[in-house]
Amino acid sequence: ELKVEQNPLFLSMQEGKNYTIYCNYSTTSDRLYWYRQDPGKSLESLFVLLSNGAVKQEGRLMASLDTKARLSTLHITAAVHDLSATYFCAVDRDDTDKLIFGTGTRLQVFP
Amino acid sequence: NAGVTQTPKFQVLKTGQSMTLQCAQDMNHNSMYWYRQDPGMGLRLIYYSASEGTTDKGEVPNGYNVSRLNKREFSLRLESAAPSQTSVYFCASSATSARGASPLHFGNGTRLTVT
Repeated sequence: ELKVEQNPLFLSMQEGKNYTIYCNYSTTSDRLYWYRQDPGKSLESLFVLLSNGAVKQEGRLMASLDTKARLSTLHITAAVHDLSATYFCAVDRDDTDKLIFGTGTRLQVFP
Repeated sequence: NAGVTQTPKFQVLKTGQSMTLQCAQDMNHNSMYWYRQDPGMGLRLIYYSASEGTTDKGEVPNGYNVSRLNKREFSLRLESAAPSQTSVYFCASSATSARGASPLHFGNGTRLTVT
């Protein structure tokens, strides 16, 4: 059974600081997705990582994938308040179309 | 540009009542999904459909049925609602199957309360 774990579950950080969110998964997969959800809203896609060593960056967010370690990271550089949201990683199994989500990391950025 | 449309946005049911959540997408996507979101548990897959005419169980299918009416529409039915089904339900679609690595596009969600 595919399990996807994120940590931390909650992150409170000061503006201007850097931090990393971790996403571990339990079975082989070459495809990992990051999504953002604002309170009371739907989810929007941030990154799609398709192979080992993939790195993608958008603004202050950078995501990477290590398929050998079954680990993805979402790095936040010089956080700003607008990044406050819940971030989810999701993984699909190699042999099915089931996309399984992690429990999410709620990020709060304060001045 | 509607994307993924879910109806209703809010619903309150009494235990034992039935209802159908509707979902339609106008992006000509092959795959469609139903998730539920509960506090502290992320999103859990209920059912998905890789193409018109096919459906498959996800992580938490018990108590639900689905119907892929055509390529655009994917409905979720609760035959006999229970308080444990109180949740926010999201429908999503993607251009290919998840194996094709296309991200999901989500609807705005349905907030369901079962009393």
